[in-house]
Amino acid sequence: AQKITQTQPGMFVQEKEAVTLDCTYDTSDPSYGLFWYKQPSSGEMIFLIYQGSYDQQNATEGRYSLNFQKARKSANLVISASQLGDSAMYFCAMRVGDAGGTSYGKLTFGQGTILTVHP
Amino acid sequence: DAGVIQSPRHEVTEMGQEVTLRCKPISGHDYLFWYRQTMMRGLELLIYFNNNVPIDDSGMPEDRFSAKMPNASFSTLKIQPSEPRDSAVYFCASSFAGDQPQHFGDGTRLSIL
Repeated sequence: AQKITQTQPGMFVQEKEAVTLDCTYDTSDPSYGLFWYKQPSSGEMIFLIYQGSYDQQNATEGRYSLNFQKARKSANLVISASQLGDSAMYFCAMRVGDAGGTSYGKLTFGQGTILTVHP
Repeated sequence: DAGVIQSPRHEVTEMGQEVTLRCKPISGHDYLFWYRQTMMRGLELLIYFNNNVPIDDSGMPEDRFSAKMPNASFSTLKIQPSEPRDSAVYFCASSFAGDQPQHFGDGTRLSIL
């Protein structure tokens, strides 16, 4: 069974500082993908960044980067130069398997980390 | 481009009533997902479709829940009869392919009294 663990219920960061949100995963499938989503207090789910298990480089999207350590089964989200608008719940999620397999496309989500950015 | 569109945004109804939630996925997306989010259980996948065909409904809590996708641009999630424990935010999401990011609608906040 697949499992995603986010061990930090809450994190605080000063505006303009960098912050790392932790995510560890567990799967025996060699093909998988890792996603990060942001959920502001308004409730919508916003896709941030994706890392595939075969990707050689760590994913980056603007101020977001993913610190992918395959041997440690971790996929931490790094937000650089935090902004007040980054205050939100952040979810790590995992997809396993290849096209044609059972449950291909299915995402398993972690419990989330609430990030608060202080001015 | 229009995102995933869900309706209604809010629904308050009495226990025992039928509830129908609606979703229009992003055009061209072959996968559609229904999730439920609660404080206690977090985000749970209820069911998902590929090319309008249900692929995995193992997350549907019980027979009171049903979902359909009659065509590529419309899906419904129905609860009949509704119970207070069904109160949650229900999200619909779609993706271009199974390994692509899922894009979520704004959700339906459902309250069963």
